Amino acid sequence: EAGVAQSPRYKIIEKRQSVAFWCNPISGHATLYWYQQILGQGPKLLIQFQNNGVVDDSQLPKDRFSAERLKGVDSTLKIQPAKLEDSAVYLCASSLVAGLNTGELFFGEGSRLTVL
Amino acid sequence: QKEVEQNSGPLSVPEGAIASLNCTYSDRGSQSFFWYRQYSGKSPELIMSIYSNGDKEDGRFTAQLNKASQYVSLLIRDSQPSDSATYLCAVKRSSYKLIFGSGTRLLVRP
Repeated sequence: EAGVAQSPRYKIIEKRQSVAFWCNPISGHATLYWYQQILGQGPKLLIQFQNNGVVDDSQLPKDRFSAERLKGVDSTLKIQPAKLEDSAVYLCASSLVAGLNTGELFFGEGSRLTVL
Repeated sequence: QKEVEQNSGPLSVPEGAIASLNCTYSDRGSQSFFWYRQYSGKSPELIMSIYSNGDKEDGRFTAQLNKASQYVSLLIRDSQPSDSATYLCAVKRSSYKLIFGSGTRLLVRP
């Protein structure tokens, strides 16, 4: 079974530039998550999709971050304009369902962003 | 107060010892609890889940939950150098949102 695919693996940009990350979840997984993990910290949920609808985006900085999940499959996370503090690993994860007793998220390898 | 709190460590134990990792959470409405392991430079992977008070054992791993004290722990018996990683406690609130702690780094000395 193919895992969660993410690209690019690494990206270096200047502040105020834009960047986009792509994620393809495990086939059949209805729920897709984008987490931000800053070095030395735990993953922080940015946005959670159930099929192509947003379940939670309360911690997404909406003035600069946007995300979409067209057709309920793959997803794109965009940052525009980037700030220095956006340097982090952006983890995409998926799960079969999003019920209370289902906490098994399958993570992709992550996209490491460095903002200079 | 953080929603999920863990000691950042590092927790250093000798090979063969028991490693004890702890986590507290603030939302009394939390109902599901998970431990993820994250090797350096890698993504988190689920190792244990627990939903009711008490102990749950899986091989060398035991998860313990005390909802009254809002406390979750993970015991690793017969620790191996390959267990050296960061262990993330994650808590699912009634909103279905999975919140991670900042993790405890475990070092197992050969």
